[in-house]
Parts: sequence; C-alpha cells; structure tokens
Amino acid sequence: DADVTQTPRNRITKTGKRIMLECSQTKGHDRMYWYRQDPGLGLRLIYYSFDVKDINKGEISDGYSVSRQAQAKFSLSLESAIPNQTALYFCATSDSTGYEQYFGPGTRLTVT
Amino acid sequence: GESVGLHLPTLSVQEGDNSIINCAYSNSASDYFIWYKQESGKGPQFIIDIRSNMDKRQGQRVTVLLNKTVKHLSLQIAATQPGDSAVYFCAENMGSGYSTLTFGKGTMLLVSP
Repeated sequence: DADVTQTPRNRITKTGKRIMLECSQTKGHDRMYWYRQDPGLGLRLIYYSFDVKDINKGEISDGYSVSRQAQAKFSLSLESAIPNQTALYFCATSDSTGYEQYFGPGTRLTVT
Repeated sequence: GESVGLHLPTLSVQEGDNSIINCAYSNSASDYFIWYKQESGKGPQFIIDIRSNMDKRQGQRVTVLLNKTVKHLSLQIAATQPGDSAVYFCAENMGSGYSTLTFGKGTMLLVSP
C-alpha cells in the first residue's frame, strides 16, 4: 500500500465552488506539506504543518486553507475555486528533520 | 493533457550515454540538497541527497556533485536508460529546524532507445 495517499486523483469543478483535497499518510511522520505544480514552475509550497497544532503558510497560501485533523491527515481546501487554481496538487510528508520529503501521487484539479 | 514538462529545459540523450543535469541553488546558507525524479502522472520520487559538508555522493548509477563556491549542484546518471526519462528537480534546505525545501523548476530528460 502507498505510504502517502491523496483523494481525489482527478477533479473538475466550477468557479466559485468549495473543494477539499485530502491527504493521508502511514509513515508516522509529524510534518506534512501541500504543494502546487504548474507547467514550468516547479513545486510551490502552499501550506505546511509540523504537527497537529502547528500550521504555517507557504509561498502561495492566498485562496487556500488547510486542516490537520490528525497526525496522519492533512486536508487542503479551496473556499471559492477560480480557474487559475487549475494545477497539480501534491501532498508530502517528512520526519522531524524536514529533509527528505515523501510525495503522494497528486491530484489533478481543473476549475472551469 | 497538460504536462509538467512544458517550458522546461530539456536534455535529450541516447540510451547508454551518461547524462548530466545541472541546478543552480539560491541560498548560500542551505546545508542539505536533494534530487527528485518525477515521471509522467506520478509524484516526485527521491533519488539522492547530499549535505553541505560533502562535495560528492554516489548512489546506484547516480552521482551528485556540490560546488558551494558557485552554488551549483549536478546530477550525473551513468548509462542512461529509457526508464530514466522524467523531469528532475533539485531542492535545497537551510537546515534550521523550521525550514522547508525550496524546489528548482526542473529539467526534462528524454532518453532515446
């Protein structure tokens, strides 16, 4: 079984809709991350959490919110989706060193 | 469909050649560097890492070189295979307890049989 899972894998939604992307991990890691990937722009950090009570904004947090429901679960929400949020979204985890990060398979989100 | 490889620098090699992928990092205080491989439709996967107190580290068919003087990182892949075709990202970490990885934009490697 995969260590880091993301649901859904693909989602098409309309402008203005609220959408939640979910991430679960079985690695026992404290740290979890949400990234966005756009063509030619690499991975950009949206939010990260170093434990259940420690959540931090990343480089591009505007328009997004997160919830760390448990050590193993970290959700990303788009409160009111807009077309320029169309992208690939990745969840990742790491141990307390924050060095090597383990990525999920990604969610392809399209906002029409 | 949309590709993460659009507009990326591309390196095209023949099967069996050695490949060198380069990365310029941004922060002279970074003390940890990592290379990831991303195949189409998948999340990034760890290849190899290196600490700033080293200038070379070898893995299976891969070698990472670090030049701190010019803030340059390279990934060498020996005897490149078609399965090596992917986008390769470097990332750096400043190493303090609350820092995070900063990723480069990536290089696409295309291996022809």
